[in-house]
Amino acid sequence: ESVLTQSPGTLSLSPGERATLSCRASQSVSNDFLAWYQQKPGQAPRLLIYEAAIRATGIPDRFSGSGSGTDFTLTISRLEPEDFAVYFCQEYGSSRGTFGPGTKVDVK
Amino acid sequence: EMQLVESGGGLVQPGGSLRLTCVASGFPFNSYWMGWVRQAPGKGLEWVANINQDESDKDSIGSVRGRFTISRDNAKNSLYLQMISLRDDDTAVYYCVRERRFTHGADLLFDFWGHGTLVTVSS
Repeated sequence: ESVLTQSPGTLSLSPGERATLSCRASQSVSNDFLAWYQQKPGQAPRLLIYEAAIRATGIPDRFSGSGSGTDFTLTISRLEPEDFAVYFCQEYGSSRGTFGPGTKVDVK
Repeated sequence: EMQLVESGGGLVQPGGSLRLTCVASGFPFNSYWMGWVRQAPGKGLEWVANINQDESDKDSIGSVRGRFTISRDNAKNSLYLQMISLRDDDTAVYYCVRERRFTHGADLLFDFWGHGTLVTVSS
């Protein structure tokens, strides 16, 4: 079973800055079945990206996903105040839906 | 507006039982795989169990197999998780989730989540 590692653990940035979050899998992710979720305090996670690069319905285009194989990236082009949250990656399909430990994006 | 509303969480002693309920609205419930994902306090997310549209296919993680049973009632737009023999490490917020299979083999992708119900197992 694949293990997902996310880095950094915490990313401290200011509104308007670019955020780059990394997710690395211990085994190659089949078919790029890699998703990203956003979770704000006290709220349920929200699907942002699936199949590594496809934005879910209603997700602003400042969110983009890239990567393949074992290395994936979530980029937020310009941080809005509502983007400060925890972001989880997930491998779905063959790997029992394993989630990464999360990256917290907080205000610098 | 789509909604998933969970209920049934609470404080239970080790070895006890609980039944979680999730009521869905705003989408054709009987057309989707559904499931449960949990999050222990301050921890990450863990898929627990899922079920197909007509209950003919179910799956769960090894640590809950034989203790947790997932079921659904499409007439009531409801999903259930019967939990017995609860352990301390079952303590978590349990989220009801809708599973979306955009592509063949792409199971366990969750495109809509409820707000969760807290289960605390403690003596």
